Amino acid sequence: IAGITQAPTSQILAAGRRMTLRCTQDMRHNAMYWYRQDLGLGLRLIHYSNTAGTTGKGEVPDGYSVSRANTDDFPLTLASAVPSQTSVYFCASSSSTGGTDTQYFGPGTRLTVL
Amino acid sequence: GQNIDQPTEMTATEGAIVQINCTYQTSGFNGLFWYQQHAGEAPTFLSYNVLDGLEEKGRFSSFLSRSKGYSYLLLKELQMKDSASYLCAALDSNYQLIWGAGTKLIIKP
Repeated sequence: IAGITQAPTSQILAAGRRMTLRCTQDMRHNAMYWYRQDLGLGLRLIHYSNTAGTTGKGEVPDGYSVSRANTDDFPLTLASAVPSQTSVYFCASSSSTGGTDTQYFGPGTRLTVL
Repeated sequence: GQNIDQPTEMTATEGAIVQINCTYQTSGFNGLFWYQQHAGEAPTFLSYNVLDGLEEKGRFSSFLSRSKGYSYLLLKELQMKDSASYLCAALDSNYQLIWGAGTKLIIKP
């Protein structure tokens, strides 16, 4: 079934640990995004990628890094997790950026940093 | 700064009609999206407006007034499965989506 998958579904992590959230899409979309969603706040863009090999910073990039080695995968890494990074993380993709294409979201990863 | 405002929570009765409002202030504007998000799930696309007026799609309609920086989502013949959060998001001049915090819609029998 076409779509976006994320792993893990949920994770509890000790502060200071390194963590990589995985995201894979099979729709051959050029653009991919990472958001975090916190109670009472709108989705906030962490990083994005317009196409394989390129990445850009969103609204809240500090403490996070991404890579886009190929079209399908867009992992998000927390180098040294802190409690304020406790959140639900959504990966999304769209056919292109610079346009009005709909973004399709993965099921999310619920991350708790203690 | 850029800002999206929508009510935090609304309650409506099964079978009724509800209107969820959204006002936006963005640097440039390239359209407005509405997404539905059930609890514990991912947002899913409902509608996109870039021109003024009403777009109807089954039980759901979305309206846009660019001059007023205002949109609404209209849900008719409410069903219990419509209980969800509804997210308003505006596309700014850089084609970045600016998201509202969402409106939690509670449907009562």
